[in-house]
Amino acid sequence: QKEVEQDPGPLSVPEGAIVSLNCTYSNSAFQYFMWYRQYSRKGPELLMYTYSSGNKEDGRFTAQVDKSSKYISLFIRDSQPSDSATYLCAMSANAGGTSYGKLTFGQGTILTVHP
Amino acid sequence: DADVTQTPRNRITKTGKRIMLECSQTKGHDRMYWYRQDPGLGLRLIYYSFDVKDINKGEISDGYSVSRQAQAKFSLSLESAIPNQTALYFCATSDFGGTSALSTDTQYFGPGTRLTVL
Repeated sequence: QKEVEQDPGPLSVPEGAIVSLNCTYSNSAFQYFMWYRQYSRKGPELLMYTYSSGNKEDGRFTAQVDKSSKYISLFIRDSQPSDSATYLCAMSANAGGTSYGKLTFGQGTILTVHP
Repeated sequence: DADVTQTPRNRITKTGKRIMLECSQTKGHDRMYWYRQDPGLGLRLIYYSFDVKDINKGEISDGYSVSRQAQAKFSLSLESAIPNQTALYFCATSDFGGTSALSTDTQYFGPGTRLTVL
């Protein structure tokens, strides 16, 4: 079993829909949770990160972490065609510092928002 | 100009050939990483380097080697390429932001190199 599981999709939604992307994980040591967005033929770029449990909102994007259930989500409100990309969750047990904050990635979910 | 560049962007090679992928960064970061991305498997770490004198194996280092020529340059070599090394390869950099619980080792990725081994 992978440490981080993410439904690869693909997910296709109409413009304006609310999108929910999810990851589950098995390592209870994970404390830092990130979402990366990857456009076609580009490298991933950090979209959001949260520490421990709770919600974080940034514009149309909301990240949720439920450590008790080992479950994280990314919600996209009023989705746009420009949101079409692969979304990867990533997790880390520590922040780095003197040791490597190793990131464990999910498989990525391919999202298409059609006009 | 891009902060993290990778060359070549695409490469087709044959089994048994030696190949080098290069990464350069202008972000001034000390930490650099090499990942490979395969469909359905996400990103997996090959090697990472915290500074020029510090090189560490990641989870899938077999068949790969690296060289950190300078703070800004980190190369990945396949000594004898095999078909199952066909993948998308990414270089990344990071600069740890501090000791706060809200800091994280944010990684910045290059555009990737698509490698095909025939």
